[in-house]
Formats: sequence, structure tokens, C-alpha cells
Amino acid sequence: GAGVSQSPSNKVTEKGKDVELRCDPISGHTALYWYRQSLGQGLEFLIYFQGNSAPDKSGLPSDRFSAERTGGSVSTLTIQRTQQEDSAVYLCASSWPGTGIYEQYFGPGTRLTVT
Amino acid sequence: GIQVEQSPPDLILQEGANSTLRCNFSDSVNNLQWFHQNPWGQLINLFYIPSGTKQNGRLSATTVATERYSLLYISSSQTTDSGVYFCAVGRGRDDKIIFGKGTRLHILP
Repeated sequence: GAGVSQSPSNKVTEKGKDVELRCDPISGHTALYWYRQSLGQGLEFLIYFQGNSAPDKSGLPSDRFSAERTGGSVSTLTIQRTQQEDSAVYLCASSWPGTGIYEQYFGPGTRLTVT
Repeated sequence: GIQVEQSPPDLILQEGANSTLRCNFSDSVNNLQWFHQNPWGQLINLFYIPSGTKQNGRLSATTVATERYSLLYISSSQTTDSGVYFCAVGRGRDDKIIFGKGTRLHILP
């Protein structure tokens, strides 16, 4: 079956503009994660959705960042008034913890460049 | 929150050598994965191993949950093994998954 998909694959935007990044998880996966990876760095946790539970937003770096997950499937990460330090690869992952196995599967990422 | 430490941060080896990568974590977990990030940035699942030992070809992993560490073994390294290896842990269904900072592996021909 299809894996996790993300769009766009690349996004160049001007400082101060808003951007939306999309993630389509694997069908049936109830858990969805967003991470950010700056050049040469590790993965920084941003937000976690699990089913109908309130999302864990503890990793969002500022109130310019927000995320939604509609219908328990597709998720959109929105960054308002982008800054140059927002430039990074944004990675999405999904998993299905229904059987107590929490294995994550990652999408290819969206490379965001803020000029 | 839970802390994840990986060592060594960097490792340079000749092709054919063996290596051991370590992941220490600060709390009990019931979710632990090893990933390989290839030069194109794609994260590839290697092992889902919250406890026990698994093997897949030249790679194997062991997690000793009671002592809060996991080891990834790579035998007979190949240049295609180069990249960054990440360990990621979580405490359950309602808990986020946290990544270590990774081990950057360079295999020289």
C-alpha cells in the first residue's frame, strides 16, 4: 500500500509569508507526528495527534506554528509570518498503535526555505 | 521528559569493519526504533525493538529495557551503510516519540 506522503516536496517563501505543509498518513493509521530537522541536526518533535485525543503540542516552537488533522487523516502544518530560522525539512510520520506496536513510518519531508 | 543519548556522535570506518552504536534512555519505554537516514534525507526503518534481539542480514539490534539501553550492530560495513543512524523512543500510545541526536557513520572504500 501507499506510504506516508507529503506536499509540497520543496517550498521557497519570503520572510513574513504564511505557509501550509500537508501530510497524508498511511490509511488506517491513527497516530500522526510532525518533526522538524534543521541542516545537519536531529529531529525536533513538534506535535503529535492520536485518534480523537487532544494533540500534544508541547514541541511547537512558537504561536506562529499550528497544526490540524481533519477527519482523523490528513494533517496540515501552518507556519505564519515565516522567519529565516524556520528554514528546515519538515517530516511527518504515522503509526497504528492499535496492537500495542508503535512503529513509525516517515514521509519524504518538505524542504522549506525562507528567504 | 525522557532523554535519549546516542554514542558515538561520529564514526569513521573502513569498508568491511564492524561497528556498534549505542542508545541510552532515561526512563522506561515500550517503543524503541532504529532508523537510518540516507544521504537523500529519507528515514528508513531498521528495527522496532522495545526489548530483545533482532537480526536482519548484516544488521542486528539488542535492547535491554531494564538497563535502559539499546545497541545497533553493523557487520561487514559497506559504503552504502553511510548516513545517520537515529534511535527513537516513546512510553506508549499517548506519548510522543523522541529522537536522539544520531550517530553519523562514514564508511570509507
